[in-house]
Amino acid sequence: AQKITQTQPGMFVQEKEAVTLDCTYDTSDPSYGLFWYKQPSSGEMIFLIYQGSYDQQNATEGRYSLNFQKARKSANLVISASQLGDSAMYFCAMREGPNDYKLSFGAGTTVTVRA
Amino acid sequence: DTEVTQTPKHLVMGMTNKKSLKCEQHMGHRAMYWYKQKAKKPPELMFVYSYEKLSINESVPSRFSPECPNSSLLNLHLHALQPEDSALYLCASSQGQGVYNQPQHFGDGTRLSIL
Repeated sequence: AQKITQTQPGMFVQEKEAVTLDCTYDTSDPSYGLFWYKQPSSGEMIFLIYQGSYDQQNATEGRYSLNFQKARKSANLVISASQLGDSAMYFCAMREGPNDYKLSFGAGTTVTVRA
Repeated sequence: DTEVTQTPKHLVMGMTNKKSLKCEQHMGHRAMYWYKQKAKKPPELMFVYSYEKLSINESVPSRFSPECPNSSLLNLHLHALQPEDSALYLCASSQGQGVYNQPQHFGDGTRLSIL
């Protein structure tokens, strides 16, 4: 079974608008971490934001915020005030347990910001 | 600039060649990773080194041979590769085991083409 599901293969957003990228996950481990990465066409994977399973508040990092709904097993990324430089592929990933090195990645969502 | 440095950025090699990919980090991380990524797909884990010892080998063909000379360096030796091995190879590092809320930090990758 897929551990991370990203159902939006591609999205278009107008510059300065907000965009929400969906991510749902599946795990039976009570301890897990959720990560979002951005990958521009240049190839580098850039870490954006982290949410832990025990965190009470939604994570925020600048223009990035994570809408964490634990009961629904969703961890959607919200990018506010989109910029042209936000055009990239975005991956949601999960690590289960404190001793597991593996990251389970979703299929990714391509975001294109229009001027 | 990323804190994980990969060289070379591009590599073209024949199927009979031997080459090496190099990765270096100076963040004091004790876990280092090799991933293979095909276009528009998520990264696939190949190897994990933890405290300079091979911790995970995801059933990677023996034509890929990893090496961790010290805690800052990670190599991937390539020999007799096949055209389907053409991909982006990403190196990553993270803090050691038990620190699951810390992200993996990725390099820019090496784009490998097999002729």
